[in-house]
Formats: sequence, C-alpha cells, structure tokens
Amino acid sequence: GENVEQHPSTLSVQEGDSAVIKCTYSDSASNYFPWYKQELGKRPQLIIDIRSNVGEKKDQRIAVTLNKTAKHFSLHITETQPEDSAVYFCAARNRNSGNTPLVFGKGTRLSVIA
Amino acid sequence: GAGVSQSPSNKVTEKGKDVELRCDPISGHTALYWYRQRLGQGLEFLIYFQGNSAPDKSGLPSDRFSAERTGESVSTLTIQRTQQEDSAVYLCASKASGSPDTQYFGPGTRLTVL
Repeated sequence: GENVEQHPSTLSVQEGDSAVIKCTYSDSASNYFPWYKQELGKRPQLIIDIRSNVGEKKDQRIAVTLNKTAKHFSLHITETQPEDSAVYFCAARNRNSGNTPLVFGKGTRLSVIA
Repeated sequence: GAGVSQSPSNKVTEKGKDVELRCDPISGHTALYWYRQRLGQGLEFLIYFQGNSAPDKSGLPSDRFSAERTGESVSTLTIQRTQQEDSAVYLCASKASGSPDTQYFGPGTRLTVL
C-alpha cells in the first residue's frame, strides 16, 4: 500500500520568510495530493491540492509542486504570517481506485515567529 | 450547507467501558471515513464506507473497534472495553461521489480513557 513520508516534523521561520515542507510517496499509482492545515484544537482543512496532470499549482501565498518521476511533492508558503502557524499534513491517494482513503504524512508543525 | 458534525465533542470514560462516537456527514456524500489522531501525531485511517458497498475495515487496530453506517447517513464508531491507548481524537470525514476529491473533516471527538 501507499506510504507517505513528510519532513521536517517541526519548522520555525521568521515572519515574512518562506517555508517549505516536503513529502515523498511510494505508490506510483497515486495521482491526487492534498495539503491540510490543522490549527490547534481544530479540524484539518484543505488548503491546496494537486493532481498528477500538473506540476505546480499556486493560490496566493501558497504553492504546491509535484515531481512524479521522483515521487515527491512540496508545499511552499511565501511571506509567512503568524496565522500560518499550524500543523500541516500532506496526503496521497489514487483517484482511479474509487473513494479510497487518503494516506497522510505525520505532519509538520510550523511556527512563524513575529 | 452544514458541514460534517460529530458528537460528543469530548468523552471521558473509564478503562473497560464501551463508547459510541457519532458522525453526521455532509448531506449527499456517499463516502465516509474514520481516522484516529493521537496527541501530536498524524491521521491514522480506521475504516471507510462507500455507499452500500461493504466497508473497508483494513485500518481497524483490533476487534474491539467496529463501525456502522446506514445508507448514506449517520455513522457510529464503537470501541468496546476501552483501553488507555485508545485515548485520541477520532475524526470523521466525508466526500462526494465521483470526481470531487476533497474530504471534509468534522471537528472530532476527543476520547480520554482513564
């Protein structure tokens, strides 16, 4: 089955700097890669996702890149703000296998220092 | 419309007791997932339901765990003879059938086994 590795487990950046979180996956059939943000005590919320027919997707200060050959994808947050502080989870699944569950990485705790 | 809801939000129980956790998915969502999140950890898949198909129980950690779902509505996760290691947040998510990929999470039930 799929296995998703996520690094780093914790990340501290100064406000205004960029943050990068990286994930690798094992199943070459995976073709959907979402990123969830979970603030303390809250539910995980989707912030951006990418499908395997594209290599990069941007939404304001957030971008995700995908390298299918190397089986890794990354989350980039630019101009970080204190409200970006949260735990971020990457995930992967095969969209062609019905509604099979997402396989999550273990999460990255991002702290943005003002 | 309303999002995914879960009840109770918190549950404290004594070791050895049974507990039932409830999930109300988004109306019309055919897929429903249960995940477990231990303190400071990632999301661990437990079980998922897809319409009237047999559920995928491959993530259930022991036979003390079971879940039911009637049609495309409410689901209950039951943990029998609870143990202290069952203490965690139990998250439910639902997803529409077909091409929409997004899983929407509920707020979770925080279970504490004393």
